Amino acid sequence: DIQMTQSPSSLSASVGDRVTITCQASQDISNYLNWYQQKPGKAPKLLIYDASNLETGVPSRFSGSGSGTDFTFTISSLQPEDIATYYCQQYDNPSITFGQGTRLEIK
Amino acid sequence: EVQLVESGGGLVQPGGSLRLSCAASGFTFSSYEMNWVRQAPGKGLEWVSYISSSGSTIYYADSVKGRFTISRDNAKNSLYLQMNSLRAEDTAVYYCARTSYGGNLDYWGQGTLVTVSS
Repeated sequence: DIQMTQSPSSLSASVGDRVTITCQASQDISNYLNWYQQKPGKAPKLLIYDASNLETGVPSRFSGSGSGTDFTFTISSLQPEDIATYYCQQYDNPSITFGQGTRLEIK
Repeated sequence: EVQLVESGGGLVQPGGSLRLSCAASGFTFSSYEMNWVRQAPGKGLEWVSYISSSGSTIYYADSVKGRFTISRDNAKNSLYLQMNSLRAEDTAVYYCARTSYGGNLDYWGQGTLVTVSS
């Protein structure tokens, strides 16, 4: 099974900061990598699909990049409403695996 | 508007069984692959099972293989998860999630809590 290593596990940043989260796959997954945002008590929400494509309606301050085994998720200017836990997710049919999550807090 | 509404969660003893349901609306259910994903309290997300749009192809995580059964009824726009031989480590919020394509989970339900405890 493909393992996903996400870092950091938690992150504290100020409003307006640039925030970066990384995800590393245990083997080449091409661009089969998605990013989700989960706020407390809520279901996850798809933000970025296929490594770099912004889901409809998601603000442009969110972006993703990478291919193969190394991927990056970026918030260009952190907003208070971005406080959440972020997960990467790979899909290598038939299995899906998630990263451990990054809890993002406001400093 | 796409809606997924899970039900059927609750408290069950170890070794017991539970059947979860997910009612879909706002899209052509029979055209989409579906999944169950769970989240233990305070923990991360874990994919549980996948079913193709017709129901002909099914996959499970190793942690539930042989104990859980995914199914769907396209006439009723419903997805199911039959959970048998439940263990304490199955305690989690269970979400149903739609696959847009590939492995992109584009819509999720609000989740239903399953607690396995004596």
